[in-house]
Amino acid sequence: ELKVEQNPLFLSMQEGKNYTIYCNYSTTSDRLYWYRQDPGKSLESLFVLLSNGAVKQEGRLMASLDTKARLSTLHITAAVHDLSATYFCAVEWDDKIIFGKGTRLHILP
Amino acid sequence: DAGITQSPRHKVTETGTPVTLRCHQTENHRYMYWYRQDPGHGLRLIHYSYGVKDTDKGEVSDGYSVSRSKTEDFLLTLESATSSQTSVYFCAIRASQGGKQYFGPGTRLTVT
Repeated sequence: ELKVEQNPLFLSMQEGKNYTIYCNYSTTSDRLYWYRQDPGKSLESLFVLLSNGAVKQEGRLMASLDTKARLSTLHITAAVHDLSATYFCAVEWDDKIIFGKGTRLHILP
Repeated sequence: DAGITQSPRHKVTETGTPVTLRCHQTENHRYMYWYRQDPGHGLRLIHYSYGVKDTDKGEVSDGYSVSRSKTEDFLLTLESATSSQTSVYFCAIRASQGGKQYFGPGTRLTVT
């Protein structure tokens, strides 16, 4: 059974700082996804990572995938308040897409 | 935005009654998914479909059934609703393996 673990589950940080969210998973997979969810809203796809070593960047967010370590990271550079949201990673396995519990990110001005 | 809708958007029902939630897409995507979201649990996969009449169980399928008789519609049925099924239910679609998932707006279900 696939397990997906994110940490931290809650992160409060100052604007302008850098930080990383980690996503570990238990079964071999080379397909990993990152999503963003604002309070009371649906989920929005951020990144699709489809191979070992894949790196995607958009704005202040950068995601990477290490399939050998079964680890993905979402790095936030020089955080701004608009990035406050909950971030989910999800792993594909046998047509299923299994989510982590999410990281609630709160960026303080 | 991907053409995906969910109905109803809100529902309050009593324990023991049957409930059906509908997910409708206009994208002709092959895959459709039902998730539930609860505080502290993230999103948990209930059932998914990989084609018309092709469905399979997810992580938390007990008490739920699904049907997909047409590409565009994926129905989730709670045969006899319980209070533990109070949740926000999200439908998602995607075109292919490795493809991006698009989520519907969600249905808030309360079972009293």
